Parts: sequence; C-alpha cells; structure tokens
Amino acid sequence: GAGVSQSPSNKVTEKGKDVELRCDPISGHTALYWYRQRLGQGLEFLIYFQGNSAPDKSGLPSDRFSAERTGESVSTLTIQRTQQEDSAVYLCASSLKQGTNTGELFFGEGSRLTVL
Amino acid sequence: GQNIDQPTEMTATEGAIVQINCTYQTSGFNGLFWYQQHAGEAPTFLSYNVLDGLEEKGRFSSFLSRSKGYSYLLLKELQMKDSASYLCAVRDYTGGFKTIFGAGTRLFVKA
Repeated sequence: GAGVSQSPSNKVTEKGKDVELRCDPISGHTALYWYRQRLGQGLEFLIYFQGNSAPDKSGLPSDRFSAERTGESVSTLTIQRTQQEDSAVYLCASSLKQGTNTGELFFGEGSRLTVL
Repeated sequence: GQNIDQPTEMTATEGAIVQINCTYQTSGFNGLFWYQQHAGEAPTFLSYNVLDGLEEKGRFSSFLSRSKGYSYLLLKELQMKDSASYLCAVRDYTGGFKTIFGAGTRLFVKA
C-alpha cells in the first residue's frame, strides 16, 4: 500500500492473554520503529529495526514484549500475559535508509490496545 | 542516553504567532524533527534541522542551535486547525540512528 498499515486498529483483551500487533511498512523503507503512546502522553520508544536486525531493543518495557521483522517487510510486536498497564496506542513508523533523505518517519494509524 | 524537554501546554490566539521551545541532550546528535499530532491521529512530519539556523516552510519555521541543544518551532498566522500536539524528536546515531520523542506540547488556538 501507499502508507504504513497496522492491524488490528483496535484490540480489547483480557488480562493475562497474549496479543500480536502487525505493521506493514512503506515498500522500500528499511527502518521500522515501534512506539507506545499512553493517553495524553508522548511517544515512548520501544524498538527499532534496520532491515531485519534490531540494533536497539532498549525500550522494550519487560521480557513480556518481543518484536520480529521479516526482511525489510512486515513486523510483529507481541505482548505476552498482558497487563492493564499495557493499555495504550502502539504506533509503527518506517523511514528510508539513513543518508538517502532526511529520514523522516511515516506513521501508521496505530493499534489501540485495551486490557481489561 | 537522551533527554528532550518541551512545555506541556500553550495557548495562543487565532492569527497570532507562537513559539514552541525544545531543549535536548544526546550523545550522538544526528538531526532534530518536529511532528504535528492531532488528537486521535498519527503524528505527521513538519520539519527537519541538522545544521544550525532557521528552516522556513510556509507558516512554519524551525530553528536549531546544536551548541545550546536548543530548537524552536515557530507558527505564524495561527489557525484553529493548528490546535494539536507538537512533538520535538531527536535522532541519535548511537545504537543505530534511532529517533526519540519528547512528551509533546499541546497547543490550544482560541478565537
């Protein structure tokens, strides 16, 4: 597609369940980011991929969070044993390789996760 | 590590000018970005500075001073639709060019 696509757009789950969030970046974008945004807050960095490698996983809040990326394509963010504190909008963004342009991020519409 | 500070909220009047400041600390500075985020929507790119000075783009301008770790976003001829959050973000080359965001400044434009 033309933009960054995320699914599901909304997910309501029960505490303790696992959830998987998906991101399709813009074709040709080698960099992919996951951010978390709680209501009324800023963007909290989670993880960054360059191709399918993750140079920086320092933002993942706990070992319940993991992310994968297939080549320079789809990424999935998995949250195991969800807690109410995980409720937030999870934003994915992609960008061209550093040095080819400004490296601005293009965001998807986000996946809103509600943990009951 | 990185640290980015910007005011939490600002209010301005339609037709006026507003300046949103951002200070940052980072070990591997590689560019500063401003994004706009309307409530319930994804952030969208506004401006990029990597060298000192002013970048102008229509009603929006962004300034950078690397030695002071300081940037501002200037919005002229404010319109009601400019009511949004403005996010200052810094790209850091340590750990592979990751982009870190400040908490954002919520701007309210009143008639």
